[in-house]
Amino acid sequence: ETGVTQSPTHLIKTRGQQVTLRCSSQSGHNTVSWYQQALGQGPQFIFQYYREEENGRGNFPPRFSGLQFPNYSSELNVNALELDDSALYLCASSIRLSGTTDTQYFGPGTRLTVL
Amino acid sequence: DQQVKQNSPSLSVQEGRISILNCDYTNSMFDYFLWYKKYPAEGPTFLISISSIKDKNEDGRFTVFLNKSAKHLSLHIVPSQPGDSAVYFCAASALGAQKLVFGQGTRLTINP
Repeated sequence: ETGVTQSPTHLIKTRGQQVTLRCSSQSGHNTVSWYQQALGQGPQFIFQYYREEENGRGNFPPRFSGLQFPNYSSELNVNALELDDSALYLCASSIRLSGTTDTQYFGPGTRLTVL
Repeated sequence: DQQVKQNSPSLSVQEGRISILNCDYTNSMFDYFLWYKKYPAEGPTFLISISSIKDKNEDGRFTVFLNKSAKHLSLHIVPSQPGDSAVYFCAASALGAQKLVFGQGTRLTINP
């Protein structure tokens, strides 16, 4: 069974640029969530995708957007990068079952540095 | 608004002894709680969870206790091993909300 994978591992961008991060969910999982983890903090929820639709969003501006594909993989796009966007971006996958709360399984993350 | 708090940034325990990590929450809608372990340069690894209908859940060396009236949960690791040295995150979720709300983490160091 393949776990959650993310690419790239590390990325360096300059302020104002755009970035796309990618995630492949664990086999059999149909839901993908994205989190931002700043240094010394816990992960903060960005948004979740289920059946290719955004299903819940945290307190992040619209320049953070995403996609989920039919194979349940996902992308996180960030436009107009700011210095504060420097963080570890984590993808988590889970199985949506009605009436229960999913356990989310995380990938290794993408470390984004904005200069 | 920090809905999930881990008030101890770090904890040091001798190998073989019990490690107790604590977590407090404020949102009474939370009904599912999880603990994750994180090594440097890796993503969080799921350890154990508990539903609000239970007050205890065990999995091998790991036990999670939930006190709903105090809005407090704890993770017990017995016996502690050097490989347990990592940052531990407590997370909570409300049914239907799907998102996880994390604490700030506690760095656990197991000393030989």
